[in-house]
Amino acid sequence: GAGVSQSPSNKVTEKGKDVELRCDPISGHTALYWYRQSLGQGLEFLIYFQGNSAPDKSGLPSDRFSAERTGGSVSTLTIQRTQQEDSAVYLCASSSTGTGYNEQFFGPGTRLTVL
Amino acid sequence: AQTVTQSQPEMSVQEAETVTLSCTYDTSESNYYLFWYKQPPSRQMILVIRQEAYKQQNATENRFSVNFQKAAKSFSLKISDSQLGDTAMYFCASGRDNYGQNFVFGPGTRLSVLP
Repeated sequence: GAGVSQSPSNKVTEKGKDVELRCDPISGHTALYWYRQSLGQGLEFLIYFQGNSAPDKSGLPSDRFSAERTGGSVSTLTIQRTQQEDSAVYLCASSSTGTGYNEQFFGPGTRLTVL
Repeated sequence: AQTVTQSQPEMSVQEAETVTLSCTYDTSESNYYLFWYKQPPSRQMILVIRQEAYKQQNATENRFSVNFQKAAKSFSLKISDSQLGDTAMYFCASGRDNYGQNFVFGPGTRLSVLP
């Protein structure tokens, strides 16, 4: 009965380095979302995976950001050549899909600090 | 386009008292959904309550209730009998459907419940 997990909890990196953030959704959830939460801001949608469909990448802020979801389960968000403005909390959420309302369950996030 | 505004960056309330958090939104959608999320210091976003815009009756969940004024595009959250565990950031969000990639979040209100 585990919830959504994310790793690492905190990540400090130097400007220009690449980082990978991991999300482990709730077992059986077919939908997976990535959001970014900058300091003092609400959540900003980044990318959405639904089953085997092509992901909705409309929220990715630049081509330095990419994400994949292997086997319909674990997802990795990759930020290449990190910039200081990438510093934020990155939240992952998953949900089941079907008729009616499908609540998103969020992970605890990864706090990324780019020095 | 959707926008969500929360005009109270911070609020405080005494334990056991009632507090109301404000939210206004703008949308061109004829039907939409409104949400309140709670984010405690653990960073994990938790759905508090949701409202479907076509329903006139205000949603309630135990100590949490909303005042949905569709014409005024207002969606305030009332917390009754405030408890110390209610201390958190509260985010208002709107969505044109149930899918999170279409959610727009407000900047949040930091609520402190004082003993």
